[in-house]
Amino acid sequence: GESVGLHLPTLSVQEGDNSIINCAYSNSASDYFIWYKQESGKGPQFIIDIRSNMDKRQGQRVTVLLNKTVKHLSLQIAATQPGDSAVYFCALPWGQKLVFGQGTRLTINP
Amino acid sequence: DAGVIQSPRHEVTEMGQEVTLRCKPISGHDYLFWYRQTMMRGLELLIYFNNNVPIDDSGMPEDRFSAKMPNASFSTLKIQPSEPRDSAVYFCASSLVRGLEAGELFFGEGSRLTVL
Repeated sequence: GESVGLHLPTLSVQEGDNSIINCAYSNSASDYFIWYKQESGKGPQFIIDIRSNMDKRQGQRVTVLLNKTVKHLSLQIAATQPGDSAVYFCALPWGQKLVFGQGTRLTINP
Repeated sequence: DAGVIQSPRHEVTEMGQEVTLRCKPISGHDYLFWYRQTMMRGLELLIYFNNNVPIDDSGMPEDRFSAKMPNASFSTLKIQPSEPRDSAVYFCASSLVRGLEAGELFFGEGSRLTVL
């Protein structure tokens, strides 16, 4: 089946610094990728997506980069704030399912 | 607008008891998904519906699990009999178009189930 993995299960950054969360995937035919954020006690929330015809997509303080050559995508959060503390998941379609990675927990140090 | 509404938020029950989890999707959304989240297995899709019809239930772990969607505004996930290994957070999500195409599923806040 599809494998969606993350390089680090936890990431700790200083408030104001940039955060980079990474995700690797195994299916080279994957053409659509999504990032979700899950705050404590809540359900996952869509952040940003990217299609395989793009290498980069920017949102508000977030940027997703896609490297199809090495099957890797990353989520960059600029000027990390306390409200960014959450678990971040990459997800991609696999057959008729949306497969989620295991998640990276981002903690912000004051 | 109200989001996806799930109930109960927390349920503690004893092994062997029946558990019913409820979900009200966002009005107008025609896809509804049930996910289970555990530390060991992460987020797993159990079943999803399109226009109240179950499309894919291959993620349902075993016959003890069943899901229904009697109308566009209500779905249930039932576990009978429950077992300790069913302890997890169960999420319901809805989507305006097929979630896989849109990528944007709207999740409820989850039902945390503990089976003793």
